[in-house]
Amino acid sequence: NAGVTQTPKFQVLKTGQSMTLQCAQDMNHNSMYWYRQDPGMGLRLIYYSASEGTTDKGEVPNGYNVSRLNKREFSLRLESAAPSQTSVYFCASTQGAKETQYFGPGTRLLVL
Amino acid sequence: TQLLEQSPQFLSIQEGENLTVYCNSSSVFSSLQWYRQEPGEGPVLLVTVVTGGEVKKLKRLTFQFGDARKDSSLHITAAQPGDTGLYLCAGETSGTYKYIFGTGTRLKVLA
Repeated sequence: NAGVTQTPKFQVLKTGQSMTLQCAQDMNHNSMYWYRQDPGMGLRLIYYSASEGTTDKGEVPNGYNVSRLNKREFSLRLESAAPSQTSVYFCASTQGAKETQYFGPGTRLLVL
Repeated sequence: TQLLEQSPQFLSIQEGENLTVYCNSSSVFSSLQWYRQEPGEGPVLLVTVVTGGEVKKLKRLTFQFGDARKDSSLHITAAQPGDTGLYLCAGETSGTYKYIFGTGTRLKVLA
């Protein structure tokens, strides 16, 4: 059982470049999340998908878009990367409210 | 905007000491979770509390949810070096499936 997987693990971008972060879960979870974590900080919610077919903004959605491709996959897209988007990005999934969130290993993104 | 403030931000203690970490908000949450995160990894759930006034114990860790469901605390008895890590609280507002994480408490336990 792989749990939550994220690709890539590391990425370096130049300002203005675009990229998509991929996330997949094999636990048949309904809800999926994208967070960012800046050094020494807690996690901030970017977007979430409460169930397949729905997506909603979190605390810091500007500069990002998401796609819930199917129940397993939830991708995060940066259309025009900025240095302020340098961070570690975590994907998570959960069966429902009050349930455990399972996190992926993270994607470390550096925007120059 | 919902905010979860954790205190202290940093804590360095000797093995065997006790400590308490606080998680406070002006918002009411339907549930509150505590996670521990090791360097280079994602957070891992320690506990979920859902009822105001609820107390849960996990070996040397005691978690409490405030009566008004706006705050929570984590108490560690006889801390060990293995307790070192970043502790995060996360609150969920009823019916939204949306989790707000606290600012984090970085704990270091010295042998």
